[in-house]
Amino acid sequence: AQKVTQAQTEISVVEKEDVTLDCVYETRDTTYYLFWYKQPPSGELVFLIRRNSFDEQNEISGRYSWNFQKSTSSFNFTITASQVVDSAVYFCALSESFGNEKLTFGTGTRLTIIP
Amino acid sequence: EAGVTQFPSHSVIEKGQTVTLRCDPISGHDNLYWYRRVMGKEIKFLLHFVKESKQDESGMPNNRFLAERTGGTYSTLKVQPAELEDSGVYFCASSLRGRLYNEQFFGPGTRLTVL
Repeated sequence: AQKVTQAQTEISVVEKEDVTLDCVYETRDTTYYLFWYKQPPSGELVFLIRRNSFDEQNEISGRYSWNFQKSTSSFNFTITASQVVDSAVYFCALSESFGNEKLTFGTGTRLTIIP
Repeated sequence: EAGVTQFPSHSVIEKGQTVTLRCDPISGHDNLYWYRRVMGKEIKFLLHFVKESKQDESGMPNNRFLAERTGGTYSTLKVQPAELEDSGVYFCASSLRGRLYNEQFFGPGTRLTVL
């Protein structure tokens, strides 16, 4: 069975600090996808990134970066120079490959950026 | 282009009553998913439609939940009779079908409160 663990329930940092959100996953599949979604106060889930299990290259998009390590089954998310607009709940998720794309989510991490 | 829409945004009902949630996916998206987040827990998969057919309903909690997608367009999720433990946020997502992997676009969710 698939499982995603986000051990950090809530994190608060002062604006401009860097923050890392942890995500650890479990799966028996050799091919799978990992995701991060952002849920701002408005409620919708906003897609941030998708990674497939064959691509362990880290990715950077502006202030966001992701560190995927298969050896530790982790897919951590770092926000550099945090801003108040980054305040949200962040979800890590996992799915199997093509044909069964339902997402298995973690419990989410509530991030609060203090001005 | 309009995103995934859900109606109502909030619903408060008494235990034992019936509630119907509606999801309008992005036009042209054959895949439609329902998920639910109970307070403080992970977002859990409920079921997956491909057009009007149920592809996977392994996450439906019990037979008080009935999902339909007549004509392969919008979908409804009916809870009858509602119980206290049904309270939570119900998300709908849609995606294209046919490529190697298709991103799921989420709606804003319906917050259901059963008193």
